[in-house]
Amino acid sequence: AQRVTQPEKLLSVFKGAPVELKCNYSYSGSPELFWYVQYSRQRLQLLLRHISRESIKGFTADLNKGETSFHLKKPFAQEEDSAMYYCALSGRTNAGKSTFGDGTTLTVKP
Amino acid sequence: EAGVAQSPRYKIIEKRQSVAFWCNPISGHATLYWYQQILGQGPKLLIQFQNNGVVDDSQLPKDRFSAERLKGVDSTLKIQPAKLEDSAVYLCASSPEGLAAPVFGPGTRLTVL
Repeated sequence: AQRVTQPEKLLSVFKGAPVELKCNYSYSGSPELFWYVQYSRQRLQLLLRHISRESIKGFTADLNKGETSFHLKKPFAQEEDSAMYYCALSGRTNAGKSTFGDGTTLTVKP
Repeated sequence: EAGVAQSPRYKIIEKRQSVAFWCNPISGHATLYWYQQILGQGPKLLIQFQNNGVVDDSQLPKDRFSAERLKGVDSTLKIQPAKLEDSAVYLCASSPEGLAAPVFGPGTRLTVL
């Protein structure tokens, strides 16, 4: 069975500090990993997916198959990064059939 | 482009009543999804349509939930009868095809009393 674990429900950092949101997964096969973000009063939206290898809003995530992790990182957090972040996993052929973690609420303090 | 539209945005009903939610996906998106998000949890896929056909409904509680997408565009999700544990946000999402990540609507918050 596939599973996504986000061990931190809440994460708080100061502006300018590095931030890392953890995501661990279990999946038999080759997974597709995603990070979604939901800002206050906004819709859930895609932040990045691992096959794109993009940096979005300064965030990056590296798939570590050995440790089955897909942690989200940003070197210098900004107040506007405060949001709920969800890690999700799917098979390679159906991105919408995703298993989501329970989310981490990130608060960036001034 | 216009985003995914959902209505109503909020609904309060009593247990054993029925309720229906409506979704209008982004124009041209063949794939439509309904997710259930219980407070404190991530979204859980209930059903996936490709045009007007069901691709996956393995997590849909079929004894009380039903969904249709008759003309391959709009979709409705119905619960009959509702239970207390159905209180959640129901998210609709769409994508041009299965490989693309879904684009989410604003959700309908259902409270069952």
